[in-house]
Amino acid sequence: GAVVSQHPSWVICKSGTSVKIECRSLDFQATTMFWYRQFPKQSLMLMATSNEGSKATYEQGVEKDKFLINHASLTLSTLTVTSAHPEDSSFYICSADGAVGTEAFFGQGTRLTVV
Amino acid sequence: KNEVEQSPQNLTAQEGEFITINCSYSVGISALHWLQQHPGGGIVSLFMLSSGKKKHGRLIATINIQEKHSSLHITASHPRDSAVYICAVNADKIIFGKGTRLHILP
Repeated sequence: GAVVSQHPSWVICKSGTSVKIECRSLDFQATTMFWYRQFPKQSLMLMATSNEGSKATYEQGVEKDKFLINHASLTLSTLTVTSAHPEDSSFYICSADGAVGTEAFFGQGTRLTVV
Repeated sequence: KNEVEQSPQNLTAQEGEFITINCSYSVGISALHWLQQHPGGGIVSLFMLSSGKKKHGRLIATINIQEKHSSLHITASHPRDSAVYICAVNADKIIFGKGTRLHILP
């Protein structure tokens, strides 16, 4: 089946630095990818929808200047957490729509810890 | 009220028991997913359903579109099944349940 690869699986960074998370569709082209965030003991929540070749659509309350999303190709979307702060420590996961549209394939997730 | 509700929130069982986790949703969907999240956070996609029933090893997932309900069953449960199981639905966007924390005792 289709595979979405997310990298890194975990990262620790210092406050004020930026961290980039990659989401790749390995064997299919994904025009739309999604980024989610999960705080401890809470549901995964949609942060933004990433469309290849255009600007991402952010959910209410998500700072677009802090969470930069780039979807430059049909197989790669990146999420950059800029000027990371301890409150950004969370679990981030991406998903990509398959060709049929009803399909969704999930990355393994990235645990970010900002110290 | 959450659009996707899972029950139970927590479940502890003995090794070998038959496990059922339920998911109810209140929106129109095109598909439903069951995900497994291990300690440390890694997500594994178990099933994607739009109707009927799917089986993979000891895992069985069913969905009733009319009743807007899905169940995930684990037969002959094992301690390595201990994880958080998350139900997610494809509506106009993907909506996740809060998860069910399963702990299987040896």
